[in-house]
Amino acid sequence: GAGVSQSPSNKVTEKGKDVELRCDPISGHTALYWYRQSLGQGLEFLIYFQGNSAPDKSGLPSDRFSAERTGGSVSTLTIQRTQQEDSAVYLCASGRGQSLYEQYFGPGTRLTVT
Amino acid sequence: QKEVEQDPGPLSVPEGAIVSLNCTYSNSAFQYFMWYRQYSRKGPELLMYTYSSGNKEDGRFTAQVDKSSKYISLFIRDSQPSDSATYLCALQGDTGRRALTFGSGTRLQVQP
Repeated sequence: GAGVSQSPSNKVTEKGKDVELRCDPISGHTALYWYRQSLGQGLEFLIYFQGNSAPDKSGLPSDRFSAERTGGSVSTLTIQRTQQEDSAVYLCASGRGQSLYEQYFGPGTRLTVT
Repeated sequence: QKEVEQDPGPLSVPEGAIVSLNCTYSNSAFQYFMWYRQYSRKGPELLMYTYSSGNKEDGRFTAQVDKSSKYISLFIRDSQPSDSATYLCALQGDTGRRALTFGSGTRLQVQP
């Protein structure tokens, strides 16, 4: 079956511009996660959605970052006024919610801020 | 100090070797322990998971957790060039926050 998809696969933007990154989770998965992976670093948690519950935003690094999930499916991560330190691979994962450990990752969006 | 420490490598081994990959952690609340494999420019894929201490085997892969030492390992037997990738350990607490805490990953190269 189809896995997690993300778009765009690559995004180059100028410092100060806003960007939107999209995630399409696996159908039926109620949990959705966003992570960031900087060069040579492990994955850094950003935000977590579970069903209709309030999202866990505890990993968002600043108020320039926001995310929403519409209809319990597609999610969009928005970064406003991008900075060079925002350059990273942004990974989305989805899961069935009741399984604490099962997270299936998409291929990521590679963001470069020039 | 990071919550999870992992040697970045690279670790280079000949084909057929036994590979040992390790992570140490500091938070005793972690209960679920996972290993992900990540090929270049791809998302991580779940290889193994264990709950609490003990061993778990799946084919050529064995995951080992020692909670008393806060030390987890992944062993790969009969390593293949196709195993060349970055291996990330990931840990999760039993309740509350569901996000995974990742190590920085170990890059493995299996030489044919």
